[in-house]
Amino acid sequence: NAGVTQTPKFQVLKTGQSMTLQCAQDMNHNSMYWYRQDPGMGLRLIYYSASEGTTDKGEVPNGYNVSRLNKREFSLRLESAAPSQTSVYFCASSELGAYSYEQYFGPGTRLTVT
Amino acid sequence: DQQVKQNSPSLSVQEGRISILNCDYTNSMFDYFLWYKKYPAEGPTFLISISSIKDKNEDGRFTVFLNKSAKHLSLHIVPSQPGDSAVYFCAASATQGGSEKLVFGKGTKLTVNP
Repeated sequence: NAGVTQTPKFQVLKTGQSMTLQCAQDMNHNSMYWYRQDPGMGLRLIYYSASEGTTDKGEVPNGYNVSRLNKREFSLRLESAAPSQTSVYFCASSELGAYSYEQYFGPGTRLTVT
Repeated sequence: DQQVKQNSPSLSVQEGRISILNCDYTNSMFDYFLWYKKYPAEGPTFLISISSIKDKNEDGRFTVFLNKSAKHLSLHIVPSQPGDSAVYFCAASATQGGSEKLVFGKGTKLTVNP
């Protein structure tokens, strides 16, 4: 049981390049999330998917797109990377239950845009 | 406007003493609160949570207190251990309507000195 996995762990991009961050979970959770963490800013929600086939914008969606490929996988795409997107990206998943709103996080992808 | 605030960026305590981490929120719709712990180069991990119908929840050395009238919660760690050194994030959710989104504070870096 690997939990939430993310690839790649590290990536360096040049301004204007594109890339896709991959996320998969093996806990059969319905909901998945993408966050970014910047120094002194905490975790900010980029996009989330409440269930397979649905996606919604979070707090900071500009410059990103997402795809909920199936129940297990949720990818984040940067079409034209900018230095402001240098950050650590975390994927998370959760299963809504009675008084349970815990989200499980992956190990993160550290992205640098030069 | 920051809805979840952790006003202390850092806290240093001696091993064996109590650590108290504080969190304030502004959105009165929040009714479920969580604490996450994060080590460097790892994803956040769930620590403890509390529903707004309670004012205290305890799990081993960790206790979370909720003061709804003051819109304030705190995490107590007793006794503190060097392995508790990490960044602690407070998070909140407004669960009415089935929302699973969490709003995070900016985090407090706890250092426990041997």
